[in-house]
Amino acid sequence: AQSVAQPEDQVNVAEGNPLTVKCTYSVSGNPYLFWYVQYPNRGLQFLLKYITGDNLVKGSYGFEAEFNKSQTSFHLKKPSALVSDSALYFCAVWDGNRDDKIIFGKGTRLHILP
Amino acid sequence: SAVISQKPSRDICQRGTSLTIQCQVDSQVTMMFWYRQQPGQSLTLIATANQGSEATYESGFVIDKFPISRPNLTFSTLTVSNMSPEDSSIYLCSVRDTGELFFGEGSRLTVL
Repeated sequence: AQSVAQPEDQVNVAEGNPLTVKCTYSVSGNPYLFWYVQYPNRGLQFLLKYITGDNLVKGSYGFEAEFNKSQTSFHLKKPSALVSDSALYFCAVWDGNRDDKIIFGKGTRLHILP
Repeated sequence: SAVISQKPSRDICQRGTSLTIQCQVDSQVTMMFWYRQQPGQSLTLIATANQGSEATYESGFVIDKFPISRPNLTFSTLTVSNMSPEDSSIYLCSVRDTGELFFGEGSRLTVL
């Protein structure tokens, strides 16, 4: 069975500082890993994904994520936070099986302090 | 990437009524998914809609409450039937393309 955990309900970061939003996963086989962002009153927007290849994945809006197989983690990072990055972030995992669904974490609210 | 249009974007409904949400995709896709996001919660998959066959519902969701149509490869509807305040949520349509899911903007339903 697949599962994904986002251990932090909320993360507060000062503008200009680096940010990390944590995600760990459990899946049989090789994971497909995703990050999505949800701004207020909006749907989910795709940020980035890891399927194979380099462990450091670069995505939209300057975000990146590092796949760590030994720690089963896929933390989202950005070197310098912007106030406009304040939103709800979801990590998701899929085992690549067409008949299996993508599982979402509970979400982490990122609050960037001006 | 797929572009997904959903309507209505929001609605306020009376208890006991039903509402149908429409989802239009700009390309042909095999599988479409309907998710529910209750206030302050993560996404929960309601069902998978395949063209030409019955939708596949997740545990806790039934066809009588959430009937789904999938008449062609670019369109689907989700009906929320006999609504109660507990059905107040954002309902999201999505499709899977090149591995990742793409989402519509969602339909925010408030049931009074």
